[in-house]
Amino acid sequence: RKEVEQDPGPFNVPEGATVAFNCTYSNSASQSFFWYRQDCRKEPKLLMSVYSSGNEDGRFTAQLNRASQYISLLIRDSKLSDSATYLCVVNADYNQGGKLIFGQGTELSVKP
Amino acid sequence: DVKVTQSSRYLVKRTGEKVFLECVQDMDHENMFWYRQDPGLGLRLIYFSYDVKMKEKGDIPEGYSVSREKKERFSLILESASTNQTSMYLCASSQAGRGNSPLHFGNGTRLTVT
Repeated sequence: RKEVEQDPGPFNVPEGATVAFNCTYSNSASQSFFWYRQDCRKEPKLLMSVYSSGNEDGRFTAQLNRASQYISLLIRDSKLSDSATYLCVVNADYNQGGKLIFGQGTELSVKP
Repeated sequence: DVKVTQSSRYLVKRTGEKVFLECVQDMDHENMFWYRQDPGLGLRLIYFSYDVKMKEKGDIPEGYSVSREKKERFSLILESASTNQTSMYLCASSQAGRGNSPLHFGNGTRLTVT
């Protein structure tokens, strides 16, 4: 089983749609969770951290379910500029400091 | 703003050459990382470092080594480049902590080994 698993997509959605991505992780000791965004041929950039109580940043909402070991990202009112690959990121183990494990990414394409 | 700078954006090397990829960060971060990214495989951790002169193997260290002589600089070395090391290489840094610090990436070096 991969340490961090995501549906690779692609997700093709019309502008204005709501789209949700899920991600599962295998290490129950993981404590830190993030969503990164990566545009084509660019480096990944932090989209948002994921907190235990869930958190929202504008049109983006992140949720964490520790019991089931999954993380979700919800994008409301999709924009063309949201087209990118979304990477789920989990720290390997609390005792391994900053070592982060990346999922393979979910590709999103927002169409007019 | 954190800045992570990788010395080359594109690099073409021949099989058997020794290759140096340089990375410098300007935010006094303790942690530095080297990843490679390949289609269908995602980002894979090669080596990381939590302090000067300290290094730890990641998931795919074979064929690579690293050097961290100064806090701001983390070098990745391909001792004898091979065609299967053709990839996008990404350097990243983060603040010291217990895994809750996000990574800041450089803009990548696309290496082709012929």
